[in-house]
Amino acid sequence: GENVEQHPSTLSVQEGDSAVIKCTYSDSASNYFPWYKQELGKGPQLIIDIRSNVGEKKDQRIAVTLNKTAKHFSLHITETQPEDSAVYFCAASKRTTGNQFYFGTGTSLTVIP
Amino acid sequence: EAQVTQNPRYLITVTGKKLTVTCSQNMNHEYMSWYRQDPGLGLRQIYYSMNVEVTDKGDVPEGYKVSRKEKRNFPLILESPSPNQTSLYFCASRPGTAFYEQYFGPGTRLTVT
Repeated sequence: GENVEQHPSTLSVQEGDSAVIKCTYSDSASNYFPWYKQELGKGPQLIIDIRSNVGEKKDQRIAVTLNKTAKHFSLHITETQPEDSAVYFCAASKRTTGNQFYFGTGTSLTVIP
Repeated sequence: EAQVTQNPRYLITVTGKKLTVTCSQNMNHEYMSWYRQDPGLGLRQIYYSMNVEVTDKGDVPEGYKVSRKEKRNFPLILESPSPNQTSLYFCASRPGTAFYEQYFGPGTRLTVT
């Protein structure tokens, strides 16, 4: 099956700086890559996603890049704010096989005011 | 309000005592999933369902059962819980159309002693 690796496991940045979280996947057939933010005591919430036919996607301060050849994708958060502090998960899925999702192990992001 | 609900939110039980965690969604979604979240392991998919009476195993199905008799409900059954099933459990749902996001419930914290 698919194997998704995520780095780093913890990340601390100063408010206003950028944060980058990286994920790699093993199954070249994976074609959908969502990123989730999980705040304390809550379920994960989708913040951005990218499909395999797109190299980059941006939504305000958040962007995701995908390199299909290298099988890795990254989350970029610019101008970080204290409310960005949370655990972030990447995931990979093959749209042709129903509803299986494979998650990374998570990155705990702390934005220091 | 569109949401996924889980009950109970917290449960402490003893080894071998059968339990059911309920999950319900009010968005008419075809796809539903159960995940468990453990420190350092991220989220791992237990079972998923693509519609009523259609279920399939995820990555970690051992020791769990599910059923999908109605579109809105997807209960998770532990017939003989063991301490290694102590975890945080999330239910999620999404539309059947490709590339739509998953909506997660608030989580159920299960402790098996």
